[in-house]
Amino acid sequence: GAVVSQHPSRVICKSGTSVKIECRSLDFQATTMFWYRQFPKQSLMLMATSNEGSKATYEQGVEKDKFLINHASLTLSTLTVTSAHPEDSSFYICSAPRTGGITSYNEQFFGPGTRLTVL
Amino acid sequence: GDSVTQMEGPVTLSEEAFLTINCTYTATGYPSLFWYVQYPGEGLQLLLKATKADDKGSNKGFEATYRKETTSFHLEKGSVQVSDSAVYFCALKEGNFNKFYFGSGTKLNVKP
Repeated sequence: GAVVSQHPSRVICKSGTSVKIECRSLDFQATTMFWYRQFPKQSLMLMATSNEGSKATYEQGVEKDKFLINHASLTLSTLTVTSAHPEDSSFYICSAPRTGGITSYNEQFFGPGTRLTVL
Repeated sequence: GDSVTQMEGPVTLSEEAFLTINCTYTATGYPSLFWYVQYPGEGLQLLLKATKADDKGSNKGFEATYRKETTSFHLEKGSVQVSDSAVYFCALKEGNFNKFYFGSGTKLNVKP
């Protein structure tokens, strides 16, 4: 089946540094990928939609200058948390839809997530 | 706006017990409803889905019925196994858009 990977799985950084998280679709191409953030015991919250060849679309309340998204290719999207602070510590998850051939059906495949801890 | 509410966990059951995880939703249109499962260290995996009212999704012994009148999509399994221990997320998606709204997740612990 389709697989979406994320790297790294865990990262610890100092306050003020930037951290890049990669999301890859391993056996299909994805013109669109999604980035979610999950706080402990809370829902996954959609942060932004990553679009290959164009700018990302951010959800209301998400700082685009804080969370930089680059959809570098049809299989890779990156999320960079700039000047990270302890309140950015969270679990970040990406997803990618795979369209089903001649039909409009698509299924979302989720990455395993990246645990970011900012000291 | 759209939202999903599911019961808080953790839920702890003995093997072969009956499982229910409640999920209710609020939506402006006619959403598709999903249950995803997340095993430790892995990504969310689609467990089952239903795309219209009265549809029943089923997979691996789990079932959920799309109830429009009660705006619910409760997850059930007649006899849980230790291997079912995971976090379960209820979610909805409007139309052909790829934007999902997730519940907060319910952790299930099944003891032998």
